[in-house]
Amino acid sequence: KQEVTQIPAALSVPEGENLVLNCSFTDSAIYNLQWFRQDPGKGLTSLLLIQSSQREQTSGRLNASLDKSSGRSTLYIAASQPGDSATYLCAVLNSGYSTLTFGKGTMLLVSP
Amino acid sequence: ETGVTQTPRHLVMGMTNKKSLKCEQHLGHNAMYWYKQSAKKPLELMFVYSLEERVENNSVPSRFSPECPNSSHLFLHLHTLQPEDSALYLCASSQVHLTSGGPMDTQYFGPGTRLTVL
Repeated sequence: KQEVTQIPAALSVPEGENLVLNCSFTDSAIYNLQWFRQDPGKGLTSLLLIQSSQREQTSGRLNASLDKSSGRSTLYIAASQPGDSATYLCAVLNSGYSTLTFGKGTMLLVSP
Repeated sequence: ETGVTQTPRHLVMGMTNKKSLKCEQHLGHNAMYWYKQSAKKPLELMFVYSLEERVENNSVPSRFSPECPNSSHLFLHLHTLQPEDSALYLCASSQVHLTSGGPMDTQYFGPGTRLTVL
């Protein structure tokens, strides 16, 4: 059974810092890996999707990498801003069918 | 309306009530999903519908009953719930690429329904 772990569970930083959020998964047979953002009481917004054949994806200040063989992904946030405060969720799409397995998330707080 | 919408946004019900959650997607997708998000637990997949047929049921108690009348609408019928069923219920949709043997696109999520069972 696929398990996804995210470290750290919570992170509080001053504005302007560069951040790294970590995600690990136990079963490397995945279709893709996604990073989502969730604001309090809201739904999820997809940030980046990395196909299993890719190594990284970039969008603005966000960069996500994937090392499928070692079961790891990192989300790099450059020059963090207070508006980045949210919970960041990592999810893997398992081969075999369309089931996403989520981690518990990293709660990020960026203070001005 | 665009994206994935869910109604109601908030719901408070007693254990003997019957209520329904509604999800509608305006993206032309062919698969829809129900997830449960409880405090301090990962999102849990409850049901998957692909081409209006249920293809996944993750050992969800029978007090939750899904319905997918067409590719744009998904319901979750609730009856005799327990207080531990209180959670955020999220709906999502995606495009499943049947010819390639599996889905490759992201899932788009609705804002969720915050359910409280008294």
